Parts: sequence; C-alpha cells; structure tokens
Amino acid sequence: DQQVKQNSPSLSVQEGRISILNCDYTNSMFDYFLWYKKYPAEGPTFLISISSIKDKNEDGRFTVFLNKSAKHLSLHIVPSQPGDSAVYFCAAKRYGGSQGNLIFGKGTKLSVKP
Amino acid sequence: DAGITQSPRYKITETGRQVTLMCHQTWSHSYMFWYRQDLGHGLRLIYYSAAADITDKGEVPDGYVVSRSKTENFPLTLESATRSQTSVYFCASTPTSGGAVEQYFGPGTRLTVT
Repeated sequence: DQQVKQNSPSLSVQEGRISILNCDYTNSMFDYFLWYKKYPAEGPTFLISISSIKDKNEDGRFTVFLNKSAKHLSLHIVPSQPGDSAVYFCAAKRYGGSQGNLIFGKGTKLSVKP
Repeated sequence: DAGITQSPRYKITETGRQVTLMCHQTWSHSYMFWYRQDLGHGLRLIYYSAAADITDKGEVPDGYVVSRSKTENFPLTLESATRSQTSVYFCASTPTSGGAVEQYFGPGTRLTVT
C-alpha cells in the first residue's frame, strides 16, 4: 500500500520554462512534506519542505504547494535550468512519528533540455 | 571530513556471505537511518536509530542487522547476503533540535550480490 505516490516516472521541460512535479498521498496523518533531489551516484539532497498547516512555501526558484483537501502537493521550479535535471523524491512524515521518519515516493526523473 | 560518509562505495559479494556497510556522521545527530533504493520502489527504510543503543525496524528489515554503540556510527550488516539484496544503500541522519524533519544523506553504497 503506497502512501506517497509520484505517478509520473519522468518529465521533460525546456530550459527557462516551468517544471511542475506532482505528488499524491493517502494518509491524512502526515504533518510535514519534503522534496529531495538526487543526481546519479549521489545521495538525495534536501530541497524544500512544507508543514501541513501551510499551503505554500517558497525558496528561490522552488515553490511547494499543498492542497490538503485533494491530498496533493506539487513542486514548481521556475525558471528551469539544465542543472535541475535529476530525480525528485517527494516524502512525508507522520504526526507523532519518530523524529524524521519519512515515507518516500518512487521519484520523478526531470530532464531540462537546453 | 565533515558530514555523513559511507564505505565502501561499491561492493560485490557472493550469496551467503556476510557483509557490513559502514556509515559515519560528524554532526552528532541523534537519529540515523538506513534505506535501500531499488528501481520501481524509490527509497525504503530498513532500520533506524534514535540514539546510541536504540534501534528499530523500518519497512524492509528482514535479512539485515544494525547496531549503534556510538552516536556517530551506524553499521548495517547483511548476515547472509541474497541476490534480492542487490541494491543501492543510503545512510541518513537528522538532528532532534529545532524540530528538524529533513534528513541528510550519505553518498550511497552500491552492493551487488552474485
């Protein structure tokens, strides 16, 4: 039973345009959501997070939107750059769960073409 | 080196052999985690530890053993390796202060069981 779902395995975007990566979840008991970026042969790196009490969080070119009623979050990258090409993982933490105990989606591979 | 390191980076072993993957962090983070990454599954939690001498099972613990005698080290042992344990293994850590939820990942160990 997959609690965090990234239904698009891949996404291709032109440089300078917006990239939108999507994530759905099934458990209402998540209190934090996070996005990680992963390059080949490297570990995932933390990108941005959002608390369940908010609906938007922004950090430079990256914005995460949370729609609790739809159990959906999205990561917007504007403008997209070739260096953004990586696999992006969505993750969620349960209320009262062990500190930092996260559930990850399967990832979406983003390709930004020059 | 500061941060979180894993060794070895690459390992080939035979079925039935015992193998230990090492993880070391210099931040004195309380929580440490082991994940495996497989195609089509994303990141799955194997074991985690809240502090020295405190460990708990994650989603896929069978066939693995962990220990944590010191805060900075969290080794993962495959007692009798099987081909299904061929994977990329990531260690991660997170502090407890400030309510942090993001995890910081090591570079990974690619393990092949023949």
